Formats: sequence, structure tokens, C-alpha cells
Amino acid sequence: QVHLVQSGAEVKKPGSAVKVSCKGSGGAFSGSAVSWVRLAPGQGPVWMGGIVPFYGGDTYAQKFQGRVSITADKSTNTVYMELRSLGYDDTAVYYCAREGFLSGYFDFWGQGTLVTVSS
Amino acid sequence: EIVLTQSPGTLSLSPGERATLSCRASQSVSNNYLAWYQQKAGQPPRLLIYGASSRATGIPDRFSGSGSGTDFTLTISRLEPEDFAVYYCHQYGRSSTFGQGTKLEIK
Repeated sequence: QVHLVQSGAEVKKPGSAVKVSCKGSGGAFSGSAVSWVRLAPGQGPVWMGGIVPFYGGDTYAQKFQGRVSITADKSTNTVYMELRSLGYDDTAVYYCAREGFLSGYFDFWGQGTLVTVSS
Repeated sequence: EIVLTQSPGTLSLSPGERATLSCRASQSVSNNYLAWYQQKAGQPPRLLIYGASSRATGIPDRFSGSGSGTDFTLTISRLEPEDFAVYYCHQYGRSSTFGQGTKLEIK
């Protein structure tokens, strides 16, 4: 069974960066892409970007271009998302989500990581 | 960017009733690449429907999706107590965007 387990909650100061991890098991990343989606209070989900861990190809939403980096460590089946220059409006729950093979929809999700930006 | 608008924002119904949730896209969704997710408090979203009308693995047949182009619908034929949650539509035909959600609450 596919499982995605994310790192724990973070509290960060404005202007700093956060790095969240997503470890897959049960064949989670076999040729599939992994995306990051955030859910801020009172808003719908927002896709941030994704990566295909098998070969490292990444793509980002224009909204986050230049501020986010998504990387993968195939040896540990872990995908990372780093978001820089944090502002208060980056306070949200961040999810990693696996795309069904060559599909685009998200069939498995991590449990979510709350990132709070506070001075 | 394709903008998805969900309606209504909140839907108040009783168990046993039929729920109809709408998702309208600002442009045609290519290949009807439209998914629906259910989210309960403290949990990640759960895939219900993909390709506008295909049920994901393990999803009860009271959930059905329909529509094409710019207008899509999620129907829950007879509401069970566990169906009260927030529902999101998601288009993955051109990049990836989500609707703002419909909260389905107990009347």
C-alpha cells in the first residue's frame, strides 16, 4: 500500500525559508510525479509544483516560480519542498500528493504539514 | 490559468437526500481531465472521481461525476452521515488548478 509521510509542523519568521519532506513507501514513487499542494485558511487548494523522482524533472506554478524548489532523493524515496522569503500569507497546510502514473490527478496524499509564519 | 468556480459555497442537506455539487471552468477542460476530492477536518483530500466520471478505487457507487467542457457535476445519490465534508474539483488538463470548495453540512 502506498504511504506518504511528511515532516512535522514548522513555525518560521517572515523572510525565512522552510523545507518540508515527504517520504514514500509501498512503491509510491515508481515512475509517478509528486506534487506539492497547499491549503490556506478559507481558500481552496493551490498547486505549487511537482517533480518526477525517477529522473528529477520538475515544474512549478507561475505564482511560486523563483521562490520554491522541489527536489527528490531516490536513495531514500523522499521528496522535498523548500519555500523561501516566507510571508504571513504563506501560513498554510502543505501536502505532498502523488499523481497516478501519467494521469495528473492525485491518488495518494501525505498527512499534511502545518507551516505557520509568525514574528 | 483555468479558474474553477464551485457552487454552492455551502449546501445544507439531511442524510438520505441527494446532493448535487457544481464546478464551472473559465475555459474548456481538455480531455475532461476533471477530478473531485472529499476532505474532512484534519485529513488530507481523498480522490473520489477522475476523468470527470470515473470512480476511484474503493469509492461507493452513490458518488457519481458527470459533465464535459466547462460544466461538471458531482452527485451523491443518498447522503450518508460520513459524506458531510468539503468537496473540491480539480482540473489537470492544463497545469493544475482547484476550485474553492463546497461545504456539505448537515441540515
